[in-house]
Amino acid sequence: SAVISQKPSRDICQRGTSLTIQCQVDSQVTMMFWYRQQPGQSLTLIATANQGSEATYESGFVIDKFPISRPNLTFSTLTVSNMSPEDSSIYLCSVGLRGVGDEQFFGPGTRLTVL
Amino acid sequence: DAKTTQPNSMESNEEEPVHLPCNHSTISGTDYIHWYRQLPSQGPEYVIHGLTSNVNNRMASLAIAEDRKSSTLILHRATLRDAAVYYCIPHKKLIFGQGTELSVKP
Repeated sequence: SAVISQKPSRDICQRGTSLTIQCQVDSQVTMMFWYRQQPGQSLTLIATANQGSEATYESGFVIDKFPISRPNLTFSTLTVSNMSPEDSSIYLCSVGLRGVGDEQFFGPGTRLTVL
Repeated sequence: DAKTTQPNSMESNEEEPVHLPCNHSTISGTDYIHWYRQLPSQGPEYVIHGLTSNVNNRMASLAIAEDRKSSTLILHRATLRDAAVYYCIPHKKLIFGQGTELSVKP
């Protein structure tokens, strides 16, 4: 299994600003992912964070809005840029220990409110 | 990506078995069927996954139809802690649908 921590756990931000969310895992993992969960909705996959290369974004998500870094096998960041109230969501990091299709473990999430 | 159909909600009594159905008629031949659940105010957690054969673990059983177009998650004795949204995901990538919200009555 894997233990995942996220910082911050929650934040309230002003529109037009940016927030960087950190995801730390207690062991080296192959796969890291970022999800968004809007109020009352299911989870939406934003991107796969690739170590040493650019993240792979899902349809509807772009690097300029959600830049992602993954400098090593235990850490990743997601930045929500130029925020608007529509970005108010819970952002979750998840990891897969082996590869795509393997069991994934989820972090506790970062609750973001944009005013 | 395979389309999934799950009931929006189901209700169970405590200590009774629960069968949560999922239809995934367009599943790829090599994709596993994953089940996750999300308890209130928590991130999703893994429940079980399988490819063709029925699977059992300490949390649940997974019954997979012979044609793989549907599957059923079985909780053998529901507890109040099992109240959650259950997601059936027949993809390599974890693409979440709307899931089934399970409520458990004491």
